[in-house]
Amino acid sequence: DTAVSQTPKYLVTQMGNDKSIKCEQNLGHDTMYWYKQDSKKFLKIMFSYNNKELIINETVPNRFSPKSPDKAHLNLHINSLELGDSAVYFCASSQGRLWQGVFDEQYFGPGTRLTVT
Amino acid sequence: AQSVTQPDIHITVSEGASLELRCNYSYGATPYLFWYVQSPGQGLQLLLKYFSGDTLVQGIKGFEAEFKRSQSSFNLRKPSVHWSDAAEYFCAVDADTGKLIFGQGTTLQVKP
Repeated sequence: DTAVSQTPKYLVTQMGNDKSIKCEQNLGHDTMYWYKQDSKKFLKIMFSYNNKELIINETVPNRFSPKSPDKAHLNLHINSLELGDSAVYFCASSQGRLWQGVFDEQYFGPGTRLTVT
Repeated sequence: AQSVTQPDIHITVSEGASLELRCNYSYGATPYLFWYVQSPGQGLQLLLKYFSGDTLVQGIKGFEAEFKRSQSSFNLRKPSVHWSDAAEYFCAVDADTGKLIFGQGTTLQVKP
């Protein structure tokens, strides 16, 4: 019973292509996130959705577009891939935020290793 | 802006020895504090967290961490390290902004 799952696990593609990464959580959480881990293992948040609404949008190129069809899914679409996009992308989810009266840790998926050649 | 510093990039300890991984944060108030572990090729697993209350928190796999407000620190400890503890360890803070700010990570190597 995987809590947060991502597909694919590995993605190798050429520069200029468009690709998508999918994320699903079965924890019933309201909030989902995308993080990027670079080659030096530094983790940085990219986006966050709460009940399908975008609530965090860090300084990310607009080639990256998240989409949340429902609160259990958060997909990441990347247009015109560049070499610098090579990284491990992690999806995460949590129950909610303090302003909602709920606070919980974030649960991470296994990651998607994207290699752009 | 909030920031997290893990001063030790790489630590090597002998199996059975004690371990302490350091974490310092920069934030005006008390943030929510976390330690995550990442095994090779794996996702991040939460070891423990601090929200409020007792400043010494217990986590999984025999880890504990102590929050020291005066030092803005949240160091991770384990009394006896096992070979399976070799991994990447990340300290993270959430200053109630909805996003985790991670430290650079500490790579733990365990010698037999």
